[in-house]
Amino acid sequence: QVQLQESGPGLVKPSQTLSLTCTVSGGSISSGSYYWSWIRQPAGKGLESIGRIYTSGSTNYNPSLKSRVTISVDTSKNQFSLKLSSVTAADTAVYYCARDSAYDGAFDIWGQGTMVTVSS
Amino acid sequence: EIVLTQSPGTLSLSPGERATLSCRTSQSVSSRYLAWYQQKPGQAPRLLIYGASSRATGIPDRFSGSGSGTDFTLTISRLEPEDFAVYYCQQYGSSFGQGTKVEIK
Repeated sequence: QVQLQESGPGLVKPSQTLSLTCTVSGGSISSGSYYWSWIRQPAGKGLESIGRIYTSGSTNYNPSLKSRVTISVDTSKNQFSLKLSSVTAADTAVYYCARDSAYDGAFDIWGQGTMVTVSS
Repeated sequence: EIVLTQSPGTLSLSPGERATLSCRTSQSVSSRYLAWYQQKPGQAPRLLIYGASSRATGIPDRFSGSGSGTDFTLTISRLEPEDFAVYYCQQYGSSFGQGTKVEIK
């Protein structure tokens, strides 16, 4: 049973870079045809896709965040990571990592989510 | 970018009633790429339906999805107490709809 777990600082200062890691357990990040994604949700609001990465290193980013986002993968550690630069209070949200099928794009496995607050 | 619009914003129903949730896309999409999720407070979303009409593993058969083109529907045939939650549609490569909250009347 594949499971995902987010980790990283819960508090980031404005203008700094938010960095999160998602650890994949119960299976190899390289097996199967899957993308590995980041999604966020501000308190009381809906879901926003941030971007995703294939194990080949190919990435897709939300156009509204593209200039600030980098997603990378470390197959040796079975992890993928998110970096979001120049953060503001508007980036305060619960950040989820998720797996989505390259076949139909459905997010079938989610991490529990981690709350990140941007504040000085 | 394809925009997904869900309606209604809130659905007030009683247990045992039927819930019908709508998701409209700004342009025609392949049914293969339309999914539905359920989210309860404090929890991550859970995949309910993929490919517009296929139930994900472990999802009860009271949940069903249908539709094609630009109009898609999630139906809950008889609401159970645990079904009161927020539901999102999502299209491959695009963001999510804004959600429909199913609340107890």
